[in-house]
Amino acid sequence: DAKTTQPNSMESNEEEPVHLPCNHSTISGTDYIHWYRQLPSQGPEYVIHGLTSNVNNRMASLAIAEDRKSSTLILHRATLRDAAVYYCIPNLDFGNEKLTFGTGTRLTIIP
Amino acid sequence: EAGVTQSPTHLIKTRGQQATLRCSPISGHTSVYWYQQALGLGLQFLLWYDEGEERNRGNFPPRFSGRQFPNYSSELNVNALELEDSALYLCASSFQSSTEAFFGQGTRLTVV
Repeated sequence: DAKTTQPNSMESNEEEPVHLPCNHSTISGTDYIHWYRQLPSQGPEYVIHGLTSNVNNRMASLAIAEDRKSSTLILHRATLRDAAVYYCIPNLDFGNEKLTFGTGTRLTIIP
Repeated sequence: EAGVTQSPTHLIKTRGQQATLRCSPISGHTSVYWYQQALGLGLQFLLWYDEGEERNRGNFPPRFSGRQFPNYSSELNVNALELEDSALYLCASSFQSSTEAFFGQGTRLTVV
């Protein structure tokens, strides 16, 4: 099972870009990388996912390293509503007994 | 369209009691997943129900059990509550694929 390493916490100023890193050096070649976030007092919500090439959606961008051992979630203009815990999850399978979101990165947005 | 709904939002029980948590999946979703999110421990898989059957179970004692009803809603029962069971219990639902699911807001269980 792929292990992940994320910083415990990060801070960013409002309306600045934020780059959230994740190391998943043991990821297998066919594992997608998913990112979820959890706002205070809410369940996790989907942000983005990708396999090899960079991905964009209305919420964020995902930059995946060429060797796939790391990825970076990019919030282009952080708002106060982006304050949350962000989880990087390789090989996401909701029905797998080994599924764990880990402790993620707590992102604080400074007004 | 309604998302995944969980009830109650908060539940306070004393040690040794039983707790029942409920989850209504998104309409059309047949799979329901239960997770425990204890403070500082991250989210841990508890149970997976699909089409009324238990498909998988996490590394939790037998006093954690549940069921899925014909309308695909689900219950999580925790017997003989212990203080360490205090956590946020999250339910998620999906349709066909176990790689895409949507979470409810959770039930905050406090055991005193």
